[in-house]
Amino acid sequence: QGQLVESGGGVVRPGRSLRLSCAASGFSFSTYAMHWVRQAPGKGLEWVGLISNDGNYQYYADSVRGRFPISRDNSKNILYLQMNSLRPEDTAVYYCTRDWFTMVRGMTADAFDIWGQGAVVTVSS
Amino acid sequence: SSDLTQDPAVSVALGQTVRITCQGDSLRNYYTSWYQQKPGQAPKLLSYGYNHRPSGIPDRFSGSSSGNTASLTITGVQAEDEADYYCNSRDSSGNHRVFGTGTKVTVL
Repeated sequence: QGQLVESGGGVVRPGRSLRLSCAASGFSFSTYAMHWVRQAPGKGLEWVGLISNDGNYQYYADSVRGRFPISRDNSKNILYLQMNSLRPEDTAVYYCTRDWFTMVRGMTADAFDIWGQGAVVTVSS
Repeated sequence: SSDLTQDPAVSVALGQTVRITCQGDSLRNYYTSWYQQKPGQAPKLLSYGYNHRPSGIPDRFSGSSSGNTASLTITGVQAEDEADYYCNSRDSSGNHRVFGTGTKVTVL
């Protein structure tokens, strides 16, 4: 079915950088687009961004565009989230998740079907 | 607008039926997926497309959509269904994804 395991979380001061990794196993990683989703303490889910299966394009939420580039290494089955210029409001649990889609009645039906356990990132002075 | 709006909370008696709604302009053009999240856990996919469920999801969970509103109905609510529920879809550009504001379901 597949598994995702995040790593790299921790406590970091505002303005500094941190890189999260997401190791994939049990499925053909290079054939799926991947996403990052975050959840601030006591808040709802927020989509952060996505990277295509081949890494050729990425899309980002306005809140992180220009600060959080997403990349992947398909030879190692690893997804990355480079978090730069961190702010206290970036404090959250960060999840990686697999993009899955199918065609239903002629339209694309998307979903996030596999999730990691989450990596905790705390931005504080 | 790219916002997806959900009622913050709903209560339902054990064994009864509850419908959770998600409203947004983009839902007129894109399907909605639904997720269940329990405290301390990652979200879990419940429904996608036109009332499709992943393997292992009980058929008491069903999704539907009409116009700018998508719904998740839980028929015969169980105690273990107490959780937060989120909808997700594409935004109006089609390139970004957006989550609903979330609904906390309490089972009485």
